[in-house]
Amino acid sequence: AQTVTQSQPEMSVQEAETVTLSCTYDTSESDYYLFWYKQPPSRQMILVIRQEAYKQQNATENRFSVNFQKAAKSFSLKISDSQLGDAAMYFCAYRSLYGGSQGNLIFGKGTKLSVKP
Amino acid sequence: GAGVSQSPRYKVAKRGQDVALRCDPISGHVSLFWYQQALGQGPEFLTYFQNEAQLDKSGLPSDRFFAERPEGSVSTLKIQRTQQEDSAVYLCASILSSRNTGELFFGEGSRLTVL
Repeated sequence: AQTVTQSQPEMSVQEAETVTLSCTYDTSESDYYLFWYKQPPSRQMILVIRQEAYKQQNATENRFSVNFQKAAKSFSLKISDSQLGDAAMYFCAYRSLYGGSQGNLIFGKGTKLSVKP
Repeated sequence: GAGVSQSPRYKVAKRGQDVALRCDPISGHVSLFWYQQALGQGPEFLTYFQNEAQLDKSGLPSDRFFAERPEGSVSTLKIQRTQQEDSAVYLCASILSSRNTGELFFGEGSRLTVL
């Protein structure tokens, strides 16, 4: 079974600075998707960025980028020019392409990000 | 609708009561997922529907949990004889394609507190 580990329960960053959130995962599959989701106090999960395992190029979405190391099973999220609105829980998630519940996400325990003005 | 809608947003139940949580997925979305999110934890899979068929219910923690999606759109998660350990946020998510390669859209969740 796949597992996702986020080893940083909490992180803090100064506004306009850069922060990196860590995520490692375990799988025996070769093709899969990885995601970072943001969950503000409103509780709605918002997709931040997505990476297909077969793509070597790291995904980028504006101020958000990932460092995907497939051999090391590592998938970290870098937030540049941090803004107050970035404060939230961030979840790393894995999606298998196989199995009966295709599309199901396996989540890590999350990292609470605080942004200091 | 424009997004995934869940109701109620908050529910307080006395231990032993039955509760029903509703999920209205995005119109036309084929697949629907229910997750349970305990305080300070990541969401955990409960069950999955493709249209009206419940294809995976391996995450349901006990036989007190029951989910249905009779017409392939709205889904209801029912918890019978609630216990304190059932207190959590219940998230619903839907996805357009049965191939499940697109984006999963989440609702805002229903927070259940069992006293």
